[in-house]
Amino acid sequence: ELKVEQNPLFLSMQEGKNYTIYCNYSTTSDRLYWYRQDPGKSLESLFVLLSNGAVKQEGRLMASLDTKARLSTLHITAAVHDLSATYFCAPPWGVQKLVFGQGTRLTINP
Amino acid sequence: DAGVIQSPRHEVTEMGQEVTLRCKPISGHDYLFWYRQTMMRGLELLIYFNNNVPIDDSGMPEDRFSAKMPNASFSNLKIQPSEPRDSAVYFCASSYGLEAFFGQGTRLTVV
Repeated sequence: ELKVEQNPLFLSMQEGKNYTIYCNYSTTSDRLYWYRQDPGKSLESLFVLLSNGAVKQEGRLMASLDTKARLSTLHITAAVHDLSATYFCAPPWGVQKLVFGQGTRLTINP
Repeated sequence: DAGVIQSPRHEVTEMGQEVTLRCKPISGHDYLFWYRQTMMRGLELLIYFNNNVPIDDSGMPEDRFSAKMPNASFSNLKIQPSEPRDSAVYFCASSYGLEAFFGQGTRLTVV
């Protein structure tokens, strides 16, 4: 069974700072997905990482994937309040079955 | 496309009643997923379909839960009888290829 661990689970940071969220998973997977969820809302796809060494950037967010280490990171650069949300990583188990981490609740303070 | 559409958005029901949650996937998508989200257990995959056929229902918690996909445009998740511990947000998602798109969810409260 695939297990996914994110850390930290809660992160409070100041605007303008940088930080990294880590996602470790227990079995080999060649892909990984990152989602964002605002309170009371649905999940929004952020990144699809398709291979070892994949790096994708969107604005102040950058995601990377190391399939050998079974590790993905989501890096936040110069955080702004609008990035406050819960972030989930999800490697697939089998063909299409996404297994979600616990989520990292990110709060960015002015 | 309007995205994945779920109904109702909110449902409050009494313990023991039957509850039906509905989902219309994005047209052309061949996978459909039902997830449940709670504070305690996070996001759990309940069941998923490929081309309307159930592939994996190992996440369905009990026989009280059932799901069907009679055609490519519709799926439902039924809970009968409902219990307070079924209270959660239920998400439907669909995909074609790599990326899954989620509906707005149904917030179920069983009292």
